[in-house]
Amino acid sequence: QSVLTQPPSVSAAPGQKVTISCSASSSNIGINYVSWYQQLPGTAPKVLIYDNNKRPSGIPDRFSGSKSGTSATLGITGLQTGDEADYYCGAWSSSLSVYVFGTGTKVTVL
Amino acid sequence: EVQLVESGGGLVQPGGSLRVSCAASGFTFSSFEMNWVRQAPGKGLEWVSHISSSGNTMYYADSVKGRFTISRDNAKNSLYLQMDSLRGEDTAVYYCARTYCSGTSCYRDSWGQGTLVTVSS
Repeated sequence: QSVLTQPPSVSAAPGQKVTISCSASSSNIGINYVSWYQQLPGTAPKVLIYDNNKRPSGIPDRFSGSKSGTSATLGITGLQTGDEADYYCGAWSSSLSVYVFGTGTKVTVL
Repeated sequence: EVQLVESGGGLVQPGGSLRVSCAASGFTFSSFEMNWVRQAPGKGLEWVSHISSSGNTMYYADSVKGRFTISRDNAKNSLYLQMDSLRGEDTAVYYCARTYCSGTSCYRDSWGQGTLVTVSS
């Protein structure tokens, strides 16, 4: 059972912005650093954001991350058709000693 | 180039066992912690297990604890997941993923293409 909750879906027109939230079910699960992953249809996940707001090399700055308290947010600006994918947050829970993924959000470009 | 190639998936009956493997190349395997992550058909990602670089420390999801065993052979650059007492709900694509750490930052930076495990009679 996931302890990170995301909206099932978000959508916007090309060029617009979307945000995806990731909320922890409890304030004491010991999550400090959140990563975000993109999974294009039929492919393995790819990391977009780590440490709440850092991008690995090669990830465009259209993708951004933030965290406040027990919630994190992924932002995608200048939406492109190639951004249609499933997006997951993930984090290590120091109190549970497990890694947890969010429930996942499907991004649709209208 | 970092490469992770899973193998060993297939069809197994409920209650049976299966071992999946992950062959690593393009990096110093013995220096990195590794993970198994699975995805049931049409469902989200579920972390399964984590092993330290030396193989001395392992963590498991509650859903597989006591049934699955993660291990590694650093001499063979290989990661394994021994799965026993398999259930229908274990049917999934199993991915291996590398944990990259720099200072206090750690994240799952490289993933294999996955291997499908189907548990069915």
